[in-house]
Amino acid sequence: DAGVIQSPRHEVTEMGQEVTLRCKLISGHNSLFWYRQTMMRGLELLIYFNNNVPIDDSGMPEDRFSAKMPNASFSTLKIQPSEPRDSAVYFCASSTRQGAWELFFGEGSRLTVL
Amino acid sequence: GDSVTQMEGPVTLSEEAFLTINCTYTATGYPSLFWYVQYPGEGLQLLLKATKADDKGSNKGFEATYRKETTSFHLEKGSVQVSDSAVYFCALRDTIIQGAQKLVFGQGTRLTINP
Repeated sequence: DAGVIQSPRHEVTEMGQEVTLRCKLISGHNSLFWYRQTMMRGLELLIYFNNNVPIDDSGMPEDRFSAKMPNASFSTLKIQPSEPRDSAVYFCASSTRQGAWELFFGEGSRLTVL
Repeated sequence: GDSVTQMEGPVTLSEEAFLTINCTYTATGYPSLFWYVQYPGEGLQLLLKATKADDKGSNKGFEATYRKETTSFHLEKGSVQVSDSAVYFCALRDTIIQGAQKLVFGQGTRLTINP
């Protein structure tokens, strides 16, 4: 079975540009989580969805960040405009009650903002 | 709010050494506890879990026991291998809100095993 698929794996962009990160959930999973990982702050939960509905976005750093889940299998995380301090690895993870809520992570998208 | 505190790293050991990574938690209820492992260049994956007090989770030679009296969930392995080099995260499952669970992670402990 395919796992959580993230794209792009690596993105290098210049400050001020728009960045869109994409995530495809495991088939049948209904909860979706976006995490950010940096050396300084570790692993931070940005936002999570259940059944396509955002449940808690209190971790989203500021209005420059937005996330959507247009259907049950796909999500995007957008940063507009991007800043150098947004440089991090962004992980998407999915889970389901039937899987006893085990989180399955993608391989991450490494973002570098110059 | 709920929180997890892990032993600070990095931890460096020789192959076949005994490993302990400490983890303590603060929670208002009775959380489930987890250890996740992140190998270089990969996402996190579940290593083991325990859902109630005195439960022992185990996998790949790793063990952790849910100690309610000390609010701890220390990770142990009797004889580590080079392939165990990774970052280890302790986590607890927060309140299930509107049908979705949320995991609270510790800061991670980087483990390096030298041959």
